[in-house]
Amino acid sequence: DAGITQSPRHKVTETGTPVTLRCHQTENHRYMYWYRQDPGHGLRLIHYSYGVKDTDKGEVSDGYSVSRSKTEDFLLTLESATSSQTSVYFCAISLTGGVNTEAFFGQGTRLTVV
Amino acid sequence: AQTVTQSQPEMSVQEAETVTLSCTYDTSESDYYLFWYKQPPSRQMILVIRQEAYKQQNATENRFSVNFQKAAKSFSLKISDSQLGDAAMYFCAYRGNTGTASKLTFGTGTRLQVTL
Repeated sequence: DAGITQSPRHKVTETGTPVTLRCHQTENHRYMYWYRQDPGHGLRLIHYSYGVKDTDKGEVSDGYSVSRSKTEDFLLTLESATSSQTSVYFCAISLTGGVNTEAFFGQGTRLTVV
Repeated sequence: AQTVTQSQPEMSVQEAETVTLSCTYDTSESDYYLFWYKQPPSRQMILVIRQEAYKQQNATENRFSVNFQKAAKSFSLKISDSQLGDAAMYFCAYRGNTGTASKLTFGTGTRLQVTL
């Protein structure tokens, strides 16, 4: 299994509070991604990173920010959590951005905003 | 933008039988890959099979095979000799070459139930 660790695995938080999810990899892969999974929507890309300090938005980036200060860590922050951000969040890594490169996924973080 | 459509929210198959999960996609790119991922109740995303758009031959991995129809933009997954452990959510995904990073675009998923 690819060395990807997401923390926490489960979190319940209150509306309006900040939340940070962490993705840690030991594979030295350059590309990292944050997805959210919701029923009826599959997985949708929130943000991605193509190197240290290099990030870009995905299709559902509103309300989220990311940071990558080290190759191995990619943080997803909800500045002020809302109930619509209740979801399962997945981190993925990829050695390159090439179309034929396999993406590996973390175990997911279930976030509930009450 | 690329889109991936899975029109079967749920499917059921009897153990040892064969089932086919459908997936269609829309793209204007010529270089891309298609994937099927399995997500069991553990939530882990497991790569089942992949297909390169330039290859005419359909990919096969043990009991899993695909029917790739490039002109029709169709990419179905066939599971033969279904087993109880095949019960899971299955996602079809597209990965193209647009932009800085080749991002995966997923379908909405098909939940497969395997019955005795």
